[in-house]
Amino acid sequence: AQSVTQPDIHITVSEGASLELRCNYSYGATPYLFWYVQSPGQGLQLLLKYFSGDTLVQGIKGFEAEFKRSQSSFNLRKPSVHWSDAAEYFCAVGTTGRRALTFGSGTRLQVQP
Amino acid sequence: DAMVIQNPRYQVTQFGKPVTLSCSQTLNHNVMYWYQQKSSQAPKLLFHYYDKDFNNEADTPDNFQSRRPNTSFCFLDIRSPGLGDAAMYLCATSPGTDTQYFGPGTRLTVL
Repeated sequence: AQSVTQPDIHITVSEGASLELRCNYSYGATPYLFWYVQSPGQGLQLLLKYFSGDTLVQGIKGFEAEFKRSQSSFNLRKPSVHWSDAAEYFCAVGTTGRRALTFGSGTRLQVQP
Repeated sequence: DAMVIQNPRYQVTQFGKPVTLSCSQTLNHNVMYWYQQKSSQAPKLLFHYYDKDFNNEADTPDNFQSRRPNTSFCFLDIRSPGLGDAAMYLCATSPGTDTQYFGPGTRLTVL
């Protein structure tokens, strides 16, 4: 069965600093990979996704993620964080034949002025 | 705008009193999902419909049921809510490509 690990429960960065959120997955084949963001009391918003092709994926709000098969990773990055980026970020993996996503436990991002 | 709508956004019920949460979509997606999300945890899939085909997760309690009367609507019924069922309930849809689109959620409080 597939699994997703987000090693960092909580990250604090200063506004304007760069950001990298880590995600590692476990799956025997090439997975479908997603990053979602959740603001307090809200649903999940899709930031970006990887299905195949170019391993560097661009998303909304200036985010990007890179799929590295050798490291089983799909880390999320942003070059300059804004205060409005403070939220919970979830990495998720989907697999062919199963119409469900497996989510990581999430990383809560705080942004300091 | 096409979207996933959940009503109500906040629901308060009493211990043991049945409650129904509603989800509707204007995306015309085949698949609709219900997730339970407890505080500071990842969403946990309860079940999903592929068209009219119901798919229950193995560890979803019998207390949770679902109905999908048509493509646009899906309901989550909690027959006898316990204190442990207090959570955010998220509805999502998918055209079958694995990308899921989430509604804003319904926060359920059980008194």
